[in-house]
Amino acid sequence: SQQGEEDPQALSIQEGENATMNCSYKTSINNLQWYRQNSGRGLVHLILIRSNEREKHSGRLRVTLDTSKKSSSLLITASRAADTASYFCATDDELDDYKLSFGAGTTVTVRA
Amino acid sequence: DGGITQSPKYLFRKEGQNVTLSCEQNLNHDAMYWYRQDPGQGLRLIYYSQIVNDFQKGDIAEGYSVSREKKESFPLTVTSAQKNPTAFYLCASSISGTGTYNEKLFFGSGTQLSVL
Repeated sequence: SQQGEEDPQALSIQEGENATMNCSYKTSINNLQWYRQNSGRGLVHLILIRSNEREKHSGRLRVTLDTSKKSSSLLITASRAADTASYFCATDDELDDYKLSFGAGTTVTVRA
Repeated sequence: DGGITQSPKYLFRKEGQNVTLSCEQNLNHDAMYWYRQDPGQGLRLIYYSQIVNDFQKGDIAEGYSVSREKKESFPLTVTSAQKNPTAFYLCASSISGTGTYNEKLFFGSGTQLSVL
């Protein structure tokens, strides 16, 4: 079952601008993960934020987590053409340690 | 060069035929997974295996079968019972569980399966 839902579905920005996408989920989590997928390829892990963390940074990526609102956001700063991809949030299952549920993703297009 | 290898990259299935997708990892990970991705959608879990000789059904296991005879290998068979098999199939692995152990998934590059 899909727990995470990303918003917006698609985003088009100019190179150098920031891109923000959001993820909402329904049940309690241990962690929330963000992945990136280039067209026709596998997913690549970007960042994991634990339920007791509120913000995490990795290079040009900034992730926030608000467990009271059951939501997370991913910010990509100073975007580049190479950031063009689909971005997915994934949440773990409180009843099964090996299940990750993925949302439908946000497709980001960075225009040169 | 460590990672997950999926083959073939493209696969075509005829009516009534079973086909097997290969997934091999040399990361020494205990857990392996199969996901299905339809256009414009997220990933749905088909099967997963926590350890050799053990596997569990995911959310959409009907019409699929797996085996886990070796730690490195987790092949997926799409049987003729799967009436809508056209999709992008992704194999993944993790050191252990992604929940309380906070582990991430490592993905292969996928297999596109189409029906002739």
